[in-house]
Amino acid sequence: GNSVTQMEGPVTLSEEAFLTINCTYTATGYPSLFWYVQYPGEGLQLLLKATKADDKGSNKGFEATYRKETTSFHLEKGSVQVSDSAVYFCALLYSSASKIIFGSGTRLSIRP
Amino acid sequence: DGGITQSPKYLFRKEGQNVTLSCEQNLNHDAMYWYRQDPGQGLRLIYYSQIVNDFQKGDIAEGYSVSREKKESFPLTVTSAQKNPTAFYLCASVGGRSLGTQYFGPGTRLTVL
Repeated sequence: GNSVTQMEGPVTLSEEAFLTINCTYTATGYPSLFWYVQYPGEGLQLLLKATKADDKGSNKGFEATYRKETTSFHLEKGSVQVSDSAVYFCALLYSSASKIIFGSGTRLSIRP
Repeated sequence: DGGITQSPKYLFRKEGQNVTLSCEQNLNHDAMYWYRQDPGQGLRLIYYSQIVNDFQKGDIAEGYSVSREKKESFPLTVTSAQKNPTAFYLCASVGGRSLGTQYFGPGTRLTVL
């Protein structure tokens, strides 16, 4: 069935470091892919999305490219800030489905 | 401002009691969802509703019930049959055809005493 696998956390980086959070998926056909972010004590917010192969989603300095050949949607940011500390969820939506599938989340902590 | 609200933010329940969590949205969205989040884990789908007066079970519906009498409201009842109800509960809504773009409420943290 359809599934999403994220790298396990927590991930701890220093401010201004480069960030990569890996996400791979299993799905038939061409799902849409998403990254959501959850700040402490809050609900999730959509960070970025990509709906077809080779699309790049971007927002707030974060980027992710939909790679069909490697079934991946890795999240990257060139220079992280303390305010980026949160839990990040990769997710997919298969076109004929009515519900989104979330990964298990990756906790990111940024040291000043 | 348009958005999705959940109340209360914190809820305490004694064992054996039913409790209802509120979820309201003024985004005019058709679809609404309830998720459960346990510490250090991802989201698990409890119930969802794509239209008023209709709803479907998600992956972990046992011990929960919902209703969808109005488009704006999708309350979740945690019944005494739910053996481990302590968790963070998130409600979300989706509008139009972009089902992946979910708008989340701030969540309700339920603790069973």
